[in-house]
Amino acid sequence: QSALTQPRSVSGSPGQSVTISCTGTSSDVGNYNYVTWYQQHPGKAPKVMIYDVSKRPSGVPDRFSASKSGNTASLTISGLQAEDEADYYCCSYAPGYTYVFGTGTEVTVL
Amino acid sequence: VQLQESGPGLMKPSGALSLTCDVSGGSISSSNWWGWVRQPPGKGLEWIAEISLSGTIHYNPSLKSRVTISVDRSKNLFSLNLSSVIAADTAVYYCVRHGSYYFDCWGQGTLVTVSS
Repeated sequence: QSALTQPRSVSGSPGQSVTISCTGTSSDVGNYNYVTWYQQHPGKAPKVMIYDVSKRPSGVPDRFSASKSGNTASLTISGLQAEDEADYYCCSYAPGYTYVFGTGTEVTVL
Repeated sequence: VQLQESGPGLMKPSGALSLTCDVSGGSISSSNWWGWVRQPPGKGLEWIAEISLSGTIHYNPSLKSRVTISVDRSKNLFSLNLSSVIAADTAVYYCVRHGSYYFDCWGQGTLVTVSS
């Protein structure tokens, strides 16, 4: 069970859009529509931003969107804001009733 | 619902780690599945295990041989035990509530340091 692959960091200026990729395999990301994206600020617990590939929980701004194609899921933050600066982790349901997280991406707002 | 982890803080290698997650502000029956996730300092998240209220358990294969997880519905809590700990088990341990196939509620986390 290997971690899903994410870019180490992405950055953008306020108002711009950034996209984070999450690459798995045909056994996890490619096999289930159960990809979740978590946001984690320093010293805090993760927070769900997207679940079931592209669904937003209530209270999450609509500038957060996500999709999946094949074995790769993507999270896009549009209209980047200072408070979006955080670490982001994808997570996929995986064979054997397990879960696998991504390696994590640090988003920097320039 | 709020989740609160409790644990030893510091422990010696080869010992057994015992963590408890108290569920407050609601019933543990608010979800059928509860679990644990950990994060070594400065590193990524790792799913450990989950348990259903009926006692069904699923483990991370890499930790299965050392993990025990249990739930006590009468006390509104669930627990994790990790045996034969080593320095690599040093991490912030989070208890989580499952919302379908994701973790919709997290505890604040408790840091467990394994050191001699």
